[in-house]
Amino acid sequence: SYELTQPPSVSVSPGQTARITCSGDALPKQYAYWCQQKSGQAPVLVIYEDSKRPSGIPERFSGSSSGTMATLTISGAQVEDEADYYCYATDSSGNHYVFGTGTKVTVL
Amino acid sequence: QVQLVESGGGVVQPGRSLRLSCAASGFTFISYGMHWVRQAPGKGLEWVAVISYDGSNKYYADSVKGRFTVSRDNSKNTLYLQMNSLRDEDTAVYYCARADHWGQGTLVTVSS
Repeated sequence: SYELTQPPSVSVSPGQTARITCSGDALPKQYAYWCQQKSGQAPVLVIYEDSKRPSGIPERFSGSSSGTMATLTISGAQVEDEADYYCYATDSSGNHYVFGTGTKVTVL
Repeated sequence: QVQLVESGGGVVQPGRSLRLSCAASGFTFISYGMHWVRQAPGKGLEWVAVISYDGSNKYYADSVKGRFTVSRDNSKNTLYLQMNSLRDEDTAVYYCARADHWGQGTLVTVSS
């Protein structure tokens, strides 16, 4: 079955840049999406269609995709950005969705 | 604003059935495909199913195919998930989601 692979954890100091990668064979043909999930809360979309930012999401969140890898970048990470981040995308059929393994971001 | 409110979760014995509902508001429901996503305790997100805007197309994760059925009633702005032959491993918080918005989830516990 199709998989999206993320690093288990990323740690940064406040104000530094955090980069989270998402690797998958179908990413050259399918958009990547990213959601943020804080402890005990529902997920919130932070990036859609590789690089678009929903209204209300801070500008420090950005996304990019090249080949089989998508990247979520948090420029100038804040303590409130501590959360689990998941990428997701469809498989090559475009019908089944897959979530990445998730990355815990620590800002301290 | 977009609101998705799940209901119907609870404790159920293995092998039994449960139906989840998701009431949508704040947007034109019939214009959007809708998803169910779940999260087992302490685990990551798992996509469960998707249904097209008009209900004509439905796709499922292999883990639930043949046991779960997604449906919608566009006249009631409501999404459903019928879950049959429930297993211990189906224990999770179930989220109703549009591509860009998520509900708060409803907890399903499968236990004898």
